[in-house]
Amino acid sequence: RKEVEQDPGPFNVPEGATVAFNCTYSNSASQSFFWYRQDCRKEPKLLMSVYSSGNEDGRFTAQLNRASQYISLLIRDSKLSDSATYLCVATSWGEGKLIFGQGTELSVKP
Amino acid sequence: EADIYQTPRYLVIGTGKKITLECSQTMGHDKMYWYQQDPGMELHLIHYSYGVNSTEKGDLSSESTVSRIRTEHFPLTLESARPSHTSQYLCASSVSDGATEAFFGQGTRLTVV
Repeated sequence: RKEVEQDPGPFNVPEGATVAFNCTYSNSASQSFFWYRQDCRKEPKLLMSVYSSGNEDGRFTAQLNRASQYISLLIRDSKLSDSATYLCVATSWGEGKLIFGQGTELSVKP
Repeated sequence: EADIYQTPRYLVIGTGKKITLECSQTMGHDKMYWYQQDPGMELHLIHYSYGVNSTEKGDLSSESTVSRIRTEHFPLTLESARPSHTSQYLCASSVSDGATEAFFGQGTRLTVV
C-alpha cells in the first residue's frame, strides 16, 4: 500500500465547476501536509499547506481529518488555468521525508 | 522564485558514461531531496539529506549516489548511465522543521541513448 494515496484521475470538468480531491495517508506519525500543483513538464510548486482547523485561500479550501488520516482539496469556480496535476504531500518531523501521492490530473474545459 | 538551481536542464548522453547532476540552493536549507519522475507518472524519492555529511536512500531503489559536503550543494552521480535511467530528476530543499514547504529546482531531463 502506498504511504500517500490520491483519487485516480483524470478529472475533466467544465469551467465554473466545483471539484474535490481526496487523499489518504497511512503513516500515523505524519505531521505536516501540503497540496502542490504541477504543470506539465514543470516542477511542483506549493499550492497550500493543510492545517487541522482547515484553511482557505481564495477559491481553494483544504481540510485535514487526523482521525481518518484523510486530506481534501476543494476548488470552487474552476478556471481553465487550474488545469494541472495536484499532488498531496505528507511529512513526519522525525523522518523528515516528503512523501508525495501519485497526483490527480485536473482538466478544466471551456 | 525559489533559489534552487539544477544543471544541466537537459542532457542526452551515451550508455556507459558517468554523469553528475548538479543541485545548488542559496536558502541555507538543511534538508535536500532528489526525486525521479517519468512523464505523467508520480514522484519517487531516491535520496535525501538532513545536512552536511548526511545522506539517506529514499523509497525507490536507485543506482545513483549522492554527496553532501556543503550545505548548499547536493550532487547526484550515475557511474554508468543506462537507457533505464532516462527520466526527469528533480531536486528540492526545505528547512529542518518539517512543517514548511519544499522548494523544487526546475529539474534535469536525462536521456540515455
